[in-house]
Amino acid sequence: DAGVIQSPRHEVTEMGQEVTLRCKPISGHDYLFWYRQTMMRGLELLIYFNNNVPIDDSGMPEDRFSAKMPNASFSTLKIQPSEPRDSAVYFCASSSGGPYNEQFFGPGTRLTVL
Amino acid sequence: GNSVTQMEGPVTLSEEAFLTINCTYTATGYPSLFWYVQYPGEGLQLLLKATKADDKGSNKGFEATYRKETTSFHLEKGSVQVSDSAVYFCALSPPTSGTYKYIFGTGTRLKVLA
Repeated sequence: DAGVIQSPRHEVTEMGQEVTLRCKPISGHDYLFWYRQTMMRGLELLIYFNNNVPIDDSGMPEDRFSAKMPNASFSTLKIQPSEPRDSAVYFCASSSGGPYNEQFFGPGTRLTVL
Repeated sequence: GNSVTQMEGPVTLSEEAFLTINCTYTATGYPSLFWYVQYPGEGLQLLLKATKADDKGSNKGFEATYRKETTSFHLEKGSVQVSDSAVYFCALSPPTSGTYKYIFGTGTRLKVLA
């Protein structure tokens, strides 16, 4: 049973470049979450979707960040243009209905912006 | 607002020592409470949870009891192993209907020495 899949696992890019992170949630899960983890700020929720619809994007740091979920099995998080302060580990997680249910995390994408 | 406070790390213990990682929360109503664990290079995974006051969550020898009177959810294990070395996150899921925004603590790094 495949878990949450993220790609790439590592990304190194230069400031100003566009970065796209990808996520495939667990089949049948109707919630998808994007988190960012840094030493300074810990784990932050950026945005989450329910049935492919963005519900809360209040954690998205600024307009340079955008997220889409065109279908139930795929989501992207895009940063354009990227900046060194965007360097972090980005996690995607999914869950199946209900506020008490477990969130399943992917392995993360480690982004380094030079 | 809702918040989670957990003890600062790192915590360093010898194998077979007793472990306590403190977690307190602030929330209106009755949130669900969780402990997640993150092993090196991996995403977070659920360790245990409790959904109402006086519930005890347990898994892999770890336990935590939902204490409403002290707004706490401390993680304990009677005898730690080297394989328990990881970062542990306390989290809450607010009780507001339709809100699936976990609030995570800052994480506590545990290192167990052989």
